[in-house]
This record gives sequence, C-alpha cells and structure tokens, in this order.
Amino acid sequence: QVQLVQSGAEVKKPGASVKVSCKASGYTFTSYGISWVRQAPGQGLEWMGWISAYNGNTNYAQKLQGRVTMTTDTSTSTAYMELRSLRSDDTAVYYCARVFVITFGGVIVNDYFDYWGQGTLVTVSS
Amino acid sequence: QSALTQPASVSGSPGQSITISCTGTSSDVGSYNLVSWYQQHPGKAPKLMIYEVSKRPSGVSNRFSGSKSGNTASLTISGLQAEDEADYYCCSYAGSSTPVVFGGGTKLTVL
Repeated sequence: QVQLVQSGAEVKKPGASVKVSCKASGYTFTSYGISWVRQAPGQGLEWMGWISAYNGNTNYAQKLQGRVTMTTDTSTSTAYMELRSLRSDDTAVYYCARVFVITFGGVIVNDYFDYWGQGTLVTVSS
Repeated sequence: QSALTQPASVSGSPGQSITISCTGTSSDVGSYNLVSWYQQHPGKAPKLMIYEVSKRPSGVSNRFSGSKSGNTASLTISGLQAEDEADYYCCSYAGSSTPVVFGGGTKLTVL
C-alpha cells in the first residue's frame, strides 16, 4: 500500500532553517511528483510547491520563492523540503503529498493529491 | 485571504444532504476541470474525496459527489453520517503563475 512517512517535529529559532523528509513506499517513486502543503495552527491549507520525482523539476509558490528548496533522493524514495530564514508565521504542520500530474496546454500541472504524509509540526519560536 | 471562497461552516442532521460551495474566478475554477476536494478530521492529514470536479477515488463512498457550474464548484454529501463531521477543502489549478489554490475550508457539523 502507498505510504508517505515524514520526519519528526522540529523546533527552530527565527532565522534558522528546517529540512523535512518524506519517505515513500508502495509505488514507483519516479512515476509521480511530491507536493508540499502546510497548515498554520487553526488555519487552512497552503500549497508550497512540488517536485517531479522523475526529473527533479520544481515549481514553488511565489510567496516562498528564494526561501524554499525541494529535492528528492530516488535511491531511497525520499523527498525533502528545506525552508530557510524561518519566521514565526512559518509555524505550521507541513505535509507531503503524492501528486498526480497531467500535461495541460503543454505544461505539466498538479491535478490532485491522492496520498498524504502524517504531517510534521515545525515550530518557530525564540 | 484564500483564493477560493467556501462557507466557514455548514450543518445537517444524520440522513440529510448538504452541499458545500467553492467559488473561484474565470482564472481557476471556471477555466479548468481540475477541482479536487479533501476531507480533514482534527489532527489528521487531509484525504482526497473528489478529483477532476466529479470523480471519486476508489474506496470513497458514493454518498460524496462533486459538480461545477461556471466559477463555482460544489461538494454534495448525501445520507449524512456522524463520521462525515470534518473540515472540507476545495482545491483548483489556477494557471502557471499560481499553480494550486485552496479554499479556506468548511467545517461540517452533523447535528
């Protein structure tokens, strides 16, 4: 069965960086992408970006450009999301999700997220 | 402020039907049949309930259905059950500059 297992909770100081991992199993890792979605306490879902596990291409949300990097290690079927220059409003639960992509108008786009990790709480506090 | 607008809350009694709306614009919901819906119970990860406007993943009850008219997508849950009480989020492709947008979420209460 498809599973995405994320790394444990993190506490960071403002200005620091955090790297969250997401280990996939139960499917061919390189046949799908991985998206990252975060949820601040009591708030809704926010898409952060996605990475193709096939070729490593990425697409990040504009508001996070320059602070976020998504990578994959195909040898271990693991995706990573690093967020730098952390601020208090980055405090959130971070989810990875397997993304089904389609080609639309010649562009590869996220269609839907069919499996999710359990979430990783990142707390940013001085 | 979320890109897609959902009612903050809806409620219904067991056995009834409810509909949750998700209003976007001609740049997202109105232009693409790439609307999906997610159910989230407290403290849990979201779960895919509907994709591409009206398709149901394997294992999701046929009590859940989706539709779209113009810039508004809708999720209907028929035969409400206690376990349907959760938060529901819509999601849409929104073009190359903002690829994915979510609604603000709707809390469903089963009375």
